[in-house]
Amino acid sequence: QVQLVQSGAEVKKPGASVKVSCKASGYSFTSHDIYWVRQVTGQGPEWMGWMNPSSGNSGYAQNYQGRVTMTRNTSINTAYMELSSLRSEDTAVYYCARGGRLGSSNWFNPWGQGTLVTVSS
Amino acid sequence: ETVLTQSPATLSLSPGERATLSCKTSQDISTYLAWFQQRPGQAPRLLIYDASHRAPGIPARFGGSGSGTDFTLTISSLEPEDFAIYYCQQRDNWTFGQGTRVEIE
Repeated sequence: QVQLVQSGAEVKKPGASVKVSCKASGYSFTSHDIYWVRQVTGQGPEWMGWMNPSSGNSGYAQNYQGRVTMTRNTSINTAYMELSSLRSEDTAVYYCARGGRLGSSNWFNPWGQGTLVTVSS
Repeated sequence: ETVLTQSPATLSLSPGERATLSCKTSQDISTYLAWFQQRPGQAPRLLIYDASHRAPGIPARFGGSGSGTDFTLTISSLEPEDFAIYYCQQRDNWTFGQGTRVEIE
């Protein structure tokens, strides 16, 4: 079955960077976009950006432009999201999701299990 | 940017009852809307896409309707596992609503 498995929890200091991985299995990795979403405790999810594993092209939400980079390694079916210049407000659970072509769009289906990133001095 | 407003914030119901959740958008989005379920400690799960189509594997008690700016998610008869938070999402910049919590009364 289609599965996305993310890397483990991270604790970072303000100003540092974090790189979260998302390993795909059960489908052709290069055939579907990967999205990244974050969720602060008690809030709704927030889309961060997308990456096309085939071309490597990516696009980022305005809130994250200049601070986020989405990449991939097709040899191991893994996508990455790196967020730099971390601040306490970046403490959240970060999810990857596959763009599953359903109807009109690449809706987010399924999702990885999430990676908790804690930013604290 | 299209804003999604969900109501109510919390819905208190009993198992077997019908749940009706609302999502209103600040602009006309046709039927480009999805619904997700999020159980505690889990990732969101796609329920409905294109406003009214159930995702693969989703039980028939989940139904979606609406177009333009007004959308509804209906759970015809609540099962114990349905008590969770529900989010709507639209395709323009993939923004989400703030969620409706369905809790046991």
